[in-house]
Amino acid sequence: QVQLVQSGAEVKKPGASVKVSCKASGYTFTKYYMHWVRQAPGQGLEWMGVINPSGGETSYVQKLQGRVTMTRDTSTSTVYMELSSLRSEDTAVYYCARTVRSYDSFDYWGQGTLVTVSS
Amino acid sequence: EIVLTQSPGTLSLSPGEGATLSCRASQSVSSDYLAWYQQKPGQAPRLLIYGASSRATGIPDRFSGSGSGTDFTLTISRLEPEDFAVYYCQQYGTSPRTFGQGTKLEIK
Repeated sequence: QVQLVQSGAEVKKPGASVKVSCKASGYTFTKYYMHWVRQAPGQGLEWMGVINPSGGETSYVQKLQGRVTMTRDTSTSTVYMELSSLRSEDTAVYYCARTVRSYDSFDYWGQGTLVTVSS
Repeated sequence: EIVLTQSPGTLSLSPGEGATLSCRASQSVSSDYLAWYQQKPGQAPRLLIYGASSRATGIPDRFSGSGSGTDFTLTISRLEPEDFAVYYCQQYGTSPRTFGQGTKLEIK
């Protein structure tokens, strides 16, 4: 069965960086795109960007350009999302989510990783 | 960027009743690439509807989606206790992919 298992909660200080992982299993890793979506406490969903695990190509939302980096490790079927220069408004649950094509609905989601930015 | 506006913000209904949730886009959604998700507290969203009207795998037929262009609707025909949650629409035809702000479906 398809599973996306994310790394555990993180607490970071403003200005620091965080790297969240998402390990995929139950399907061919390189045949599906992986997106990252975040949700601030009590708020809605915000798309952050996408990575093609096959070739590593990425596309990021403009507001996070320069601060977000998505990478993958095909040997372990894991994708990573690193966010730098953290600020309090980056406090959120971060989800990875899979699609068949780059422009597609998200059919499987990770369980979410809470990142708290606090001094 | 396509802005999605969902209405109402909160919908109070009783089990057994029908629910109609609306999602309006600021511009036409490409190829009707519109999805609906259900999210319960502490859980990740779950895909209900894709392509505006196709049910995802395992979704009961009391859930249906309709609409095209800029106006879309999620209908739940007979509410079950487990249907009370927050529902989001999402367009995935244009980057950035965007979500509506959500409709909370609560028990009356």
